[in-house]
Amino acid sequence: DTGVSQDPRHKITKRGQNVTFRCDPISEHNRLYWYRQTLGQGPEFLTYFQNEAQLEKSRLLSDRFSAERPKGSFSTLEIQRTEQGDSAMYLCASSLGAGTRLPYQETQYFGPGTRLLVL
Amino acid sequence: KQEVTQIPAALSVPEGENLVLNCSFTDSAIYNLQWFRQDPGKGLTSLLLIQSSQREQTSGRLNASLDKSSGRSTLYIAASQPGDSATYLCAVRGAGGTSYGKLTFGQGTILTVHP
Repeated sequence: DTGVSQDPRHKITKRGQNVTFRCDPISEHNRLYWYRQTLGQGPEFLTYFQNEAQLEKSRLLSDRFSAERPKGSFSTLEIQRTEQGDSAMYLCASSLGAGTRLPYQETQYFGPGTRLLVL
Repeated sequence: KQEVTQIPAALSVPEGENLVLNCSFTDSAIYNLQWFRQDPGKGLTSLLLIQSSQREQTSGRLNASLDKSSGRSTLYIAASQPGDSATYLCAVRGAGGTSYGKLTFGQGTILTVHP
C-alpha cells in the first residue's frame, strides 16, 4: 500500500475564490471520509462515501461545499466562495469495509492533509 | 449527540516515565474506539483500535483499555521516550442510525517527553 495521498498539501487563497482538493485512498479501499481540523481541535467529520455513493453528510458541510467520488476511487472536495472561517486542515481517510455490513473491526487510514489558508 | 473529552489537555513528563491518557464519551452505543497519534502539521497515525466487545488492546509499549458501559478509555504508555512527543487523539465510531460512517474525535492530549 502506498497510503492515502492528498493534493495539494498547502493552499493559500483569497476570500471569495473557489478551491478544490483531491484525495487518493489506499487502493481497493471502498470507504472514503473527509474531515476538517482547526487549530487545537480534533478532526470533525464532513462526509463519507462507500464506493461512489455519498452516504452521509455533516451539517458542517454547507451549500458552498461539495464532494464527489465519481468512479469510487479518488475523491474531490470543492469549496466555493471561500471564507476566512474555512481556514483549516482538510483530512481524508479511507478504509476497507465488508460490503454493506457495518464493519466493527475497521481502521481508518488518514492522509497527510491539505492545509487551507483563506486571506 | 456523541461528545468525546480528553484529559489532560497537555502533559509534560521526563523520559522514562509511565503515563496515562484519558478519554471519555457520552454515548456508549459505539462500534469501536481508536487511538491516533498526530505530529505537528501532519495527518493521523492509527495506534490501536478496540472493538466494543473488547476490554483492551496492546501494541509494544502502548496499552489501551475500554470500559464501554462507563464511557471511558485509557491509553497507557510505558517507558516514555522523546519520540513519543505528539498529540494523541481518541475517536469513537458510533453504532447504528446515521452515525455509523464517521468517527467522533476528542480534542486531543498534547504530550511532551523531555530528555
